[in-house]
Amino acid sequence: DTAVSQTPKYLVTQMGNDKSIKCEQNLGHDTMYWYKQDSKKFLKIMFSYNNKELIINETVPNRFSPKSPDKAHLNLHINSLELGDSAVYFCASSQSLGDQPQHFGDGTRLSIL
Amino acid sequence: AQSVTQPDIHITVSEGASLELRCNYSYGATPYLFWYVQSPGQGLQLLLKYFSGDTLVQGIKGFEAEFKRSQSSFNLRKPSVHWSDAAEYFCAVGAGQAGTALIFGKGTTLSVSS
Repeated sequence: DTAVSQTPKYLVTQMGNDKSIKCEQNLGHDTMYWYKQDSKKFLKIMFSYNNKELIINETVPNRFSPKSPDKAHLNLHINSLELGDSAVYFCASSQSLGDQPQHFGDGTRLSIL
Repeated sequence: AQSVTQPDIHITVSEGASLELRCNYSYGATPYLFWYVQSPGQGLQLLLKYFSGDTLVQGIKGFEAEFKRSQSSFNLRKPSVHWSDAAEYFCAVGAGQAGTALIFGKGTTLSVSS
């Protein structure tokens, strides 16, 4: 069983489009995260949610909107995609707020044409 | 501000040789420290973690790391590298406080030569 699963694994789309990435965890964790890994492989936190409540919102364009329908899911919706959004997006989860370690999904590679 | 520095961008080691990957952190309190490994096209897998106690921690795949508070370091070691260890290695610090996520270093790419 995959602990943290993301779909799709690959996403190729054109500038200006709107797309969503889904994340689900079956670990019973309370906290979920989105990270962005750029072309130089640098990983940076974007958002974190605890019990469906937004906790961390780093300096991310408001074109990015996370949504957590329940504790097990944290989706990422991106409006008006730009070339600079091309990256690998990782979802992660942890048992509770501030708890470690975090468990990561396999990532979604987003390519903007 | 919290930060993590991995001074080596790319390291090449011969198969069977020993390995040490360096990591330095900046954090005011006692940090939670981690090493993750990322194989090509894969997600991040936790190798080991340090929260408190014994400063030498053992991880999976034969890796170990030593926490040295005086040097603000958490270097990763392996006595004998295997070709399958070729990957990207990330050191990370987590404050363990409410709302704080992992702060990652920029990673070290490990190549293994035969």
